[in-house]
Amino acid sequence: AQKVTQAQTEISVVEKEDVTLDCVYETRDTTYYLFWYKQPPSGELVFLIRRNSFDEQNEISGRYSWNFQKSTSSFNFTITASQVVDSAVYFCALSEETGNQFYFGTGTSLTVIP
Amino acid sequence: DAGVIQSPRHEVTEMGQEVTLRCKPISGHDYLFWYRQTMMRGLELLIYFNNNVPIDDSGMPEDRFSAKMPNASFSTLKIQPSEPRDSAVYFCASSERQGENTGELFFGEGSRLTVL
Repeated sequence: AQKVTQAQTEISVVEKEDVTLDCVYETRDTTYYLFWYKQPPSGELVFLIRRNSFDEQNEISGRYSWNFQKSTSSFNFTITASQVVDSAVYFCALSEETGNQFYFGTGTSLTVIP
Repeated sequence: DAGVIQSPRHEVTEMGQEVTLRCKPISGHDYLFWYRQTMMRGLELLIYFNNNVPIDDSGMPEDRFSAKMPNASFSTLKIQPSEPRDSAVYFCASSERQGENTGELFFGEGSRLTVL
C-alpha cells in the first residue's frame, strides 16, 4: 500500500487563482515527519517544509500555507494567488520514526497559466 | 556551505557500458540516499547509508547496481552493465538527525543518464 498518496496527477490554474494540492499519508508510527518538495522544470528538488506529527499547527509562509490534519491523515498544501513561477511538480513525503526512509508520493504537476 | 554535489550532470552511454555516478553530501550529514526518478515509476529509493554503512538496499533493482560510501564525503552508484531501461535521473540526497528529529533531505541536482 502507498504510504503517501497524491491523488491529483495534474492541475492547471490561471494565474492569481488559489490552488490546493492534496496529500494523504499512512503510518502506524506515532512520531513521524511530513515534507513538501518542489521540482521546477529545471529538475532540482527543493525542500519547502517539514512538519512533525506532534505539531498540528497550520503554517503560512508568504503565499504558501499548509494544513496538517491528523484526524484525516492529510497534509495539504495551498498556494494563494498562484504565479507562473509556481509551475512545478510538487511532492509530499513521509518519514517515520522507525527507520529513516523517506516515502514520496507520486507528485502533482501544477501548471499556472498566465 | 555547498549543497549536495553530483557528477556527472549528464551521461550518455551505450548499452553494456559501465556507469559510475558520484555524490558528495553536505558536510556533517550522516545519512546519504540514492534515488532514481522516471516518468513511469516516480521517485524510487535505491539505497541509503547511515554513517557510511548501507542500511537498506532493498530498492536496488538488481545485481547490476552497486553503491559504496568509502567515507563521509563521497559515495558512488555504479551500474554494470548498463541497459536502456536504466535511463533515468539519479538523485543523491543527504540529511542529518537533529537530536530526536529527522532532518529534511537535501538533494543534489541529479545525474541524467541515457543508455542507448
